Parts: sequence; structure tokens; C-alpha cells
Amino acid sequence: AQSVTQLDSQVPVFEEAPVELRCNYSSSVSVYLFWYVQYPNQGLQLLLKYLSGSTLVKGINGFEAEFNKSQTSFHLRKPSVHISDTAEYFCAVSENGNKLVFGAGTILRVKS
Amino acid sequence: GAGVSQSPSNKVTEKGKDVELRCDPISGHTALYWYRQRLGQGLEFLIYFQGNSAPDKSGLPSDRFSAERTGESVSTLTIQRTQQEDSAVYLCASRGDIGGAKTQYFGPGTRLLVL
Repeated sequence: AQSVTQLDSQVPVFEEAPVELRCNYSSSVSVYLFWYVQYPNQGLQLLLKYLSGSTLVKGINGFEAEFNKSQTSFHLRKPSVHISDTAEYFCAVSENGNKLVFGAGTILRVKS
Repeated sequence: GAGVSQSPSNKVTEKGKDVELRCDPISGHTALYWYRQRLGQGLEFLIYFQGNSAPDKSGLPSDRFSAERTGESVSTLTIQRTQQEDSAVYLCASRGDIGGAKTQYFGPGTRLLVL
């Protein structure tokens, strides 16, 4: 069975600092990997996804993530965060594009 | 509209009552999913529809939960005899098949509060 672990429940960071949100997954087969963002009182929005090919994927709002098969990780990074990046971030895994299994989420708090 | 829509946006009900939640997927999307997000937790898969295939109901937490979908259009999630632990945001997502697309697009959710 698939599972997703987001190692940090909350990440506080100062504006313009870099950030990394960690995600590890387990699966017995090849998977597709996703990061979604949920702004306060809003629905889920896709940030980026890894389906195949280059292991470094770039998404919206300056975010990127790197798929590491040997470490079963898909960490999300941004070199310089803004106040507007304050949100909850969810890592998710899918086998064959079917149901998504989500991590518990990481709340990113950007401070001025 | 261009996105997934859900109604109602908020629902308050009394314990023991039945509720129906509606999802309108993106036009042309063959796959439709329901998820539940309890306060402070991640999303839990509930049920998945793909075209005319039998739905994957493996995530439904009890027989009080059921869902239907007519063709490739609207879906309704029904919760019978609601309990306080059913309070959550219920999210619907749809996915197309063009080009082997794997991305699920989410609606804004229905926030259910069972008193």
C-alpha cells in the first residue's frame, strides 16, 4: 500500500529566505507525485507534478521539486519565499493516475 | 464554468439527519473522485468513478456513505444518519484522459458540520 510522510507539520521561515518542505513516500510500484497548495479558506491548487522524465520539476509561483527514487523522496523547494506563500502544502502519490494518497500536510508560515 | 464546482459550500445539520453533497466535474472529464478532509488532517480518499466502470468504493468509511454518478456528469455523495465525526470538508476532484493526463482538479469543497 502507498503512504506519504510529510516530515514537518509546520515550517516557519522569514520572508526572502529559502525553504524546503520534505516529503517521503512508499510504494511497491512506480508512482506519480504531486504537490498541492491550499491557501486559507480556499480549495486545493496543483503546484507541480512528476510523471516521468527529468527528476527536477518546476511549478507555479517559483516552486520546484526533485524526485529521488533511491531515497523515495519528493521534496519541495523555493529559493526565496514571500508572505503570500503562507499556506498549507500537501504532497500526494498516485499509482497509475488513480486515487491520490495524501500526506498530512505542512503549514508554511512566512514571517516578515 | 471551467472548474469543478460543489454545492452547497457549507452545510450544518443535526446528528442523525441525511445529507447530500453535489459535485459538477469539469466538462469531459471521465474520472471523478471524492475525498474527505478532517480538521488538521490530510485528505482521505473516499470513492472513485471512471467512466462506466464499477466505482472504487474502497475508501468509504461505513455503509452510511454512498455516492452516485450519472454518466460522466454530476455526482452526489450521500451520508445517512450523520454523526459528529462526519464533520469535515468534502472535496471533489475530476481528471481528464487526454494525453494520459494524471492531474486531478479539485473543487472548493463542502464544509459539513454535524451538531
